[in-house]
Amino acid sequence: GAVVSQHPSRVICKSGTSVKIECRSLDFQATTMFWYRQFPKQSLMLMATSNEGSKATYEQGVEKDKFLINHASLTLSTLTVTSAHPEDSSFYICSARYGGETQYFGPGTRLLVL
Amino acid sequence: AQTVTQSQPEMSVQEAETVTLSCTYDTSENNYYLFWYKQPPSRQMILVIRQEAYKQQNATENRFSVNFQKAAKSFSLKISDSQLGDTAMYFCAFLGLNRDDKIIFGKGTRLHILP
Repeated sequence: GAVVSQHPSRVICKSGTSVKIECRSLDFQATTMFWYRQFPKQSLMLMATSNEGSKATYEQGVEKDKFLINHASLTLSTLTVTSAHPEDSSFYICSARYGGETQYFGPGTRLLVL
Repeated sequence: AQTVTQSQPEMSVQEAETVTLSCTYDTSENNYYLFWYKQPPSRQMILVIRQEAYKQQNATENRFSVNFQKAAKSFSLKISDSQLGDTAMYFCAFLGLNRDDKIIFGKGTRLHILP
């Protein structure tokens, strides 16, 4: 149980285009999902907290107009990187809270912006 | 503010040996959760073990166990009979019980299991 999927696993796009990443909780309902960014050999950096049916809460320094988050249902949250640039290239990970406190993570999405 | 410190950036041990990863944290809260997550080369974050602060008994999961010292704010992970598949980055994490609390990760310890 407590499986989180993420799609796509990797994406390459041209600078200036938008990319959407989906995060799904497969066998449970997640009222809260989280989006992280991870640079090579570093820890996870929280970007935003996504609650079903309400606006996401962004961490300080994260541009909400660049990283659009939608949590349309209890099993799906999406992250859209708008007008992507090479500096947005990174590994993006989502997670969903299950059982009140434990977070389960998706397998991550590797984004490369050319 | 809560902080999580992992003082060992990298460690190497021989297969079948026992290894202990250190983690200390700082908080003024009395009740909270502590976690160890594993991130293998696939980069999938996997929950290894979880500890509730109000429980005195140390959590165990097969070859993985913790030494939770609440007064010292220490939460070390012991891996017994280490296997090649244990090679990964290990993150210690803290979560308070307030509604808006977010999980806080340490910087990680890269563990290499040598054949």
